[in-house]
Amino acid sequence: ETGVTQTPRHLVMGMTNKKSLKCEQHLGHNAMYWYKQSAKKPLELMFVYNFKEQTENNSVPSRFSPECPNSSHLFLHLHTLQPEDSALYLCASSQDVSAGGHTGELFFGEGSRLTVL
Amino acid sequence: AQSVSQHNHHVILSEAASLELGCNYSYGGTVNLFWYVQYPGQHLQLLLKYFSGDPLVKGIKGFEAEFIKSKFSFNLRKPSVQWSDTAEYFCAVSTNTGFQKLVFGTGTRLLVSP
Repeated sequence: ETGVTQTPRHLVMGMTNKKSLKCEQHLGHNAMYWYKQSAKKPLELMFVYNFKEQTENNSVPSRFSPECPNSSHLFLHLHTLQPEDSALYLCASSQDVSAGGHTGELFFGEGSRLTVL
Repeated sequence: AQSVSQHNHHVILSEAASLELGCNYSYGGTVNLFWYVQYPGQHLQLLLKYFSGDPLVKGIKGFEAEFIKSKFSFNLRKPSVQWSDTAEYFCAVSTNTGFQKLVFGTGTRLLVSP
């Protein structure tokens, strides 16, 4: 049990579908993240939310649309994806305060493996 | 922008062998350094971290890492590996101005044979 739960664990979708990935953290953290993990590539930071506000968008295509309704929940809405978007999408959370108080530790979920046909 | 290099993509060791996984980063300023581990079928979790102070950092399960600033390195070591250490290991770096932008290496897959 990681404290960060991602659903679904596996998702197969066509390029014209619309689907969403969900992340929920039970750790009382105030920052949440989406990362993309592709084979043989480093984890790529996609989005960062602090206190429900998006503070980082790492040049992610608009076909990925994040939503953070509260500090415990994070969604990634997917539409008109491409086959190269197939990857493991990882959600993470952390307890972050202003610079100097950051612990540095991210708590990851087990990921949602996405396959785009 | 900073980057992280892990030169060993796959490492195979026998139990009781010593382990050293290389990690180099590129960034000229102050960095925070991390090693994360992902056991088969499990989530990524923190193994150890360095923010400041003693450059030799000890983590969980007997792992340690040494920060050598002049070499821009943060290599992970363990004197005697166990079968249960089979996992993928990721080095990561952040900066004090971008402490939430954790940049990861490509990972090293370690297989320990019994």
